[in-house]
Amino acid sequence: AQTVTQSQPEMSVQEAETVTLSCTYDTSESDYYLFWYKQPPSRQMILVIRQEAYKQQNATENRFSVNFQKAAKSFSLKISDSQLGDAAMYFCAYRSAHSGNTPLVFGKGTRLSVIA
Amino acid sequence: EADIYQTPRYLVIGTGKKITLECSQTMGHDKMYWYQQDPGMELHLIHYSYGVNSTEKGDLSSESTVSRIRTEHFPLTLESARPSHTSQYLCASSETKLRAESVFGQGTRLTVV
Repeated sequence: AQTVTQSQPEMSVQEAETVTLSCTYDTSESDYYLFWYKQPPSRQMILVIRQEAYKQQNATENRFSVNFQKAAKSFSLKISDSQLGDAAMYFCAYRSAHSGNTPLVFGKGTRLSVIA
Repeated sequence: EADIYQTPRYLVIGTGKKITLECSQTMGHDKMYWYQQDPGMELHLIHYSYGVNSTEKGDLSSESTVSRIRTEHFPLTLESARPSHTSQYLCASSETKLRAESVFGQGTRLTVV
């Protein structure tokens, strides 16, 4: 079974600085999808960024980018120019591409604080 | 606007009561999920469905049940609420495509007293 590990329960960053959240996963599969989700306090969880394992190019979405290292099974999220609104729980998630009926596997999350 | 709705947002209920948490989505998604989120914010999959009349149990043992009679509706029922059921419950849905993200509702915060 696949597992996702987020080794940083909590992180903090100064406003306007850059922070990197770590995520590693364990799988024997070669084709899969990886996601980062953001859950602000008392608000809806939303997708931040998605990466297809077959793509070598790292995904980017505005201030959010990933460092996808397939051989190392690592999928870190970099947030540039951090803003107060980035404060949230961040979850890394994995989905197999080999079965159409596989739910997402989530990590335990990282709580990010942004200091003004 | 396509979205996923959970009601109620907050619920305080006495031990032994039967409750149903509602989840509806307007996106025509075949896949729907229920998660329990513990105080440490970890997500635990408790039920999921891949379409009408399909339901499966998730990783976390739960005393709840679900039904999927209509594509858009995936209610979760607790026959007899207990204080141990106090938690945040999140509903999500997704398209069938593997690369599709899950779309989450705003959650129901349940307190059993």
